[in-house]
Amino acid sequence: DAGVTQSPTHLIKTRGQHVTLRCSPISGHKSVSWYQQVLGQGPQFIFQYYEKEERGRGNFPDRFSARQFPNYSSELNVNALLLGDSALYLCASSLWGYNEQFFGPGTRLTVL
Amino acid sequence: QKEVEQDPGPLSVPEGAIVSLNCTYSNSAFQYFMWYRQYSRKGPELLMYTYSSGNKEDGRFTAQVDKSSKYISLFIRDSQPSDSATYLCAPRRGSARQLTFGSGTQLTVLP
Repeated sequence: DAGVTQSPTHLIKTRGQHVTLRCSPISGHKSVSWYQQVLGQGPQFIFQYYEKEERGRGNFPDRFSARQFPNYSSELNVNALLLGDSALYLCASSLWGYNEQFFGPGTRLTVL
Repeated sequence: QKEVEQDPGPLSVPEGAIVSLNCTYSNSAFQYFMWYRQYSRKGPELLMYTYSSGNKEDGRFTAQVDKSSKYISLFIRDSQPSDSATYLCAPRRGSARQLTFGSGTQLTVLP
């Protein structure tokens, strides 16, 4: 079975630009969560979606937004990029949100 | 104060050593205590979890939770070079959907 997939693998942007990151959950999983992992730190929760609705939001500015599609895949959007947004962005899927979360390999975003 | 504090390491041990990885937390509402392993350039993978206080053993790994002192431990027996990774503790409230991660401890097991 395919695990959680994320695209792109790497991305380089400049300050002020916009970025869209994509995630496909494990087949049958209806919940997707997004985490930001800055180098040397643990992942920080950004959003969780279940059945296409936002079910949780972490302490991130409004520049961060996400959505979940009918096929349960998800996009994370970040506007007006800052240098501090450089991080590994992880997507995790789970059956329905409260149980085990399976992580993808992440998208490494570098903001110059 | 962070909700979860983790010994930062890095930790370097010889093959076969017993490894102790530790976290403390401040939120008494945490009920589930996960340990994730993250290899370089990979996403975290769930190693094991415990519910409330007590011990749980899985092969060479033992997770221990002491809710009275808000202390979480992961022990690795007979450590192997393949155990070299970053270990993240991640407690969760029962009603919460998100995980709260520690900063991770980088472990290197030398052959």
